Amino acid sequence: AQSVTQLDSQVPVFEEAPVELRCSYSSSVSVYLFWYVQYPNQGLQLLLKYLSGSTLVKGINGFEAEFNKSQTSFHLRKPSVHISDTAEYFCAVRGGGADGLTFGKGTHLIIQP
Amino acid sequence: GAVVSQHPSRVICKSGTSVKIECRSLDFQATTMFWYRQFPKKSLMLMATSNEGSKATYEQGVEKDKFLINHASLTLSTLTVTSAHPEDSSFYICSALWTSSEQYFGPGTRLTVT
Repeated sequence: AQSVTQLDSQVPVFEEAPVELRCSYSSSVSVYLFWYVQYPNQGLQLLLKYLSGSTLVKGINGFEAEFNKSQTSFHLRKPSVHISDTAEYFCAVRGGGADGLTFGKGTHLIIQP
Repeated sequence: GAVVSQHPSRVICKSGTSVKIECRSLDFQATTMFWYRQFPKKSLMLMATSNEGSKATYEQGVEKDKFLINHASLTLSTLTVTSAHPEDSSFYICSALWTSSEQYFGPGTRLTVT
């Protein structure tokens, strides 16, 4: 079984400032790691994923994340945020095969002008 | 990327009635689909795994007789909430497994039971 912890339920950031959204996970098997974004009343959009290889993963909209196996973390970062980045961000893990995703509780990113 | 649709996007039903939600993969065949439930201001919870041509696999604590799942074709899975009650009101999201490492999500269905 896997679990995901998103340490911050809400992160306020000023526009054009950098941001980091934290994610830690636990699993007894190797996992795939994902970050999704959800805008109000919409489904989920994949930002980026880590499957294997380079631990620094680049995604859409200028986001990137770094997989740290020793710390079991997968923090999401963006060097300069925009108002349009205001949304809910979910970290998720999945084991191999056809397993469903285990999500963290989400972090609400609030961009302040 | 691949497209997954859900229908309806919103539904209001009376307590005691049943409602069916459809999830379709529009441009690929999906032998496996997933159903998630999202409570207000909370995360998504996996309810069940839907496999084409076989019975769904339900997560612990999810009532299989209340949430009926049918995956009759490679592009369609349905979730039927039977004898709905106000506590079943939620945002239901499906996803379709595209590869072993990626799944595409539908836009969700907002169910309100009055």
